Amino acid sequence: NAGVTQTPKFRVLKTGQSMTLLCAQDMNHEYMYWYRQDPGMGLRLIHYSVGEGTTAKGEVPDGYNVSRLKKQNFLLGLESAAPSQTSVYFCASRGQGMVVNTEAFFGQGTRLTVV
Amino acid sequence: AQKVTQAQTEISVVEKEDVTLDCVYETRDTTYYLFWYKQPPSGELVFLIRRNSFDEQNEISGRYSWNFQKSTSSFNFTITASQVVDSAVYFCALSEGGRDDKIIFGKGTRLHILP
Repeated sequence: NAGVTQTPKFRVLKTGQSMTLLCAQDMNHEYMYWYRQDPGMGLRLIHYSVGEGTTAKGEVPDGYNVSRLKKQNFLLGLESAAPSQTSVYFCASRGQGMVVNTEAFFGQGTRLTVV
Repeated sequence: AQKVTQAQTEISVVEKEDVTLDCVYETRDTTYYLFWYKQPPSGELVFLIRRNSFDEQNEISGRYSWNFQKSTSSFNFTITASQVVDSAVYFCALSEGGRDDKIIFGKGTRLHILP
């Protein structure tokens, strides 16, 4: 059981380049989230999805786009990377419970450097 | 809007001392959920506990205990007889449930346990 898998684990981009981060979960979870972690800033929510075909903005959505075409996958895109997007990116998924949703399960993170 | 404040940026204690990590939250909902996560130096996010707003019972799990007080909007975490392996960043988080269920994290507290 892989849980939440992020691809790639590491990436270096040049300013202006584009890329897509892939998050895949095998737990049939409804909810998926993308966070970025920067020193002293904790985890900040970029975008999230409450189900297949849906997306919503989080706390820091600017410069990113997302898609959830399949329930198990949540893609995070950077159209034109900037040095300010250098960060560690975490994906998480969460199941919808009868009374309460589950906790969030996290991927291992993607370390992205934009030079 | 939901908000989580972890006022302690960094704490250092000597091994075997007890330590309490503070978490204060803000929400307008009467139904909400609180979480604690641990991030060891290896970088992964480890789920510790989930508490819903209707359950104010304190919880103990081994050397870990949690004190939930709705009157002060706090959900504090205590480690008893700390060990070096407890050194990590600890995050408190809040979700408001409902269909549009996102999880918002505090900035984290970095805990150093000194041998």
